[in-house]
Amino acid sequence: NAGVTQTPKFQVLKTGQSMTLQCAQDMNHEYMSWYRQDPGMGLRLIHYSVGAGITDQGEVPNGYNVSRSTTEDFPLRLLSAAPSQTSVYFCASSAYQGGGTEAFFGQGTRLTVV
Amino acid sequence: QQQVKQSPQSLIVQKGGISIINCAYENTAFDYFPWYQQFPGKGPALLIAIRPDVSEKKEGRFTISFNKSAKQFSLHIMDSQPGDSATYFCAASTMYSGGGADGLTFGKGTHLIIQP
Repeated sequence: NAGVTQTPKFQVLKTGQSMTLQCAQDMNHEYMSWYRQDPGMGLRLIHYSVGAGITDQGEVPNGYNVSRSTTEDFPLRLLSAAPSQTSVYFCASSAYQGGGTEAFFGQGTRLTVV
Repeated sequence: QQQVKQSPQSLIVQKGGISIINCAYENTAFDYFPWYQQFPGKGPALLIAIRPDVSEKKEGRFTISFNKSAKQFSLHIMDSQPGDSATYFCAASTMYSGGGADGLTFGKGTHLIIQP
């Protein structure tokens, strides 16, 4: 089983360009989220969704948009890329809300903004 | 405001030794404390987790110790092996704000190296 699939794995953008990071899960999970990982910073929550049509902001949402039209997909859009958005992005999903629920992570997208 | 503080940032342990990573939290509403393991080029994967109603949880060579009054928890890796070399993240969440994909608060991570 594929689990959580992220594409692309690597991307280089120029400042001001836009792009969409794709995330798909095949586990029929209701809850999905995007985190960014920066050296020495751990993982920080960008946006999350508790089901199709429902999204909300996390800790660091500025500069990113999300939508959730299906249970399987949760794309992350960068509207106008900035060097500060250079990071590794992880998508995660889980079956339920709340503590005790394992979050499954994709393998990440390494984004460089020049 | 960092809600989960993790130490040390990096750790070198000899094969067969005990690796210890510590975390402290501030939010008393946290009630789920997982540890995630991440290998280079991979996403984090759940290693072990604990709830505050127990003081210790053991799974194989991995043990979480939890001190609710001190708001601290730690990961112990017994008989550490070179294959344990990875980055370890502690995390925390509340029952209703999300312990799954919708809301984990992570520590900054510990880069663990097990020397043969």
